[in-house]
Amino acid sequence: GQNIDQPTEMTATEGAIVQINCTYQTSGFNGLFWYQQHAGEAPTFLSYNVLDGLEEKGRFSSFLSRSKGYSYLLLKELQMKDSASYLCAVSDSNYQLIWGAGTKLIIKP
Amino acid sequence: GAVVSQHPSWVICKSGTSVKIECRSLDFQATTMFWYRQFPKQSLMLMATSNEGSKATYEQGVEKDKFLINHASLTLSTLTVTSAHPEDSSFYICSARDVGGAETEAFFGQGTRLTVV
Repeated sequence: GQNIDQPTEMTATEGAIVQINCTYQTSGFNGLFWYQQHAGEAPTFLSYNVLDGLEEKGRFSSFLSRSKGYSYLLLKELQMKDSASYLCAVSDSNYQLIWGAGTKLIIKP
Repeated sequence: GAVVSQHPSWVICKSGTSVKIECRSLDFQATTMFWYRQFPKQSLMLMATSNEGSKATYEQGVEKDKFLINHASLTLSTLTVTSAHPEDSSFYICSARDVGGAETEAFFGQGTRLTVV
């Protein structure tokens, strides 16, 4: 079956760095997405990886290793507004998005 | 990024009535639209996938006669919750993709908070 795993919850301190991991097992692979979702709102797109390596976009970076079925989202210089759920999603061979359960990130002052 | 407009943002209805939620892609053609439901503190749960001009594909456990999906054009999909009950109260979110390219992200509507009383 298809499966996406990510930690349920993480806590970090304002100004620090946090890494949210995502491992996947899917039928085919056409890219991995990271989304941010604040409570009561729709998810918003953060990043897309289809080739191995690191994609950097401001304070956020995303890494992919296709051979290991592994990705991580790296958030630097954490701000209180970064408190949200972070969703990992993989596009499978049929371009269907398979969603992880999300990681709730709590930022403390 | 592209814009997906979902309407209404919130709705309260009486038990037994039907509610229609619209999802429009405003600046691109959405060959595929997805409907999700999300209960408090839970992840997105895919309900169905619809391709323009064809019948929707429902996920296991989702009643197709209760959740009617229509994707009549490349810019509009609707979800109708028929004979709504309090347990249908949830946050419903649509997303749209133009799957002409593999790397196309899913653009989400704002979501609709449905409360059935």
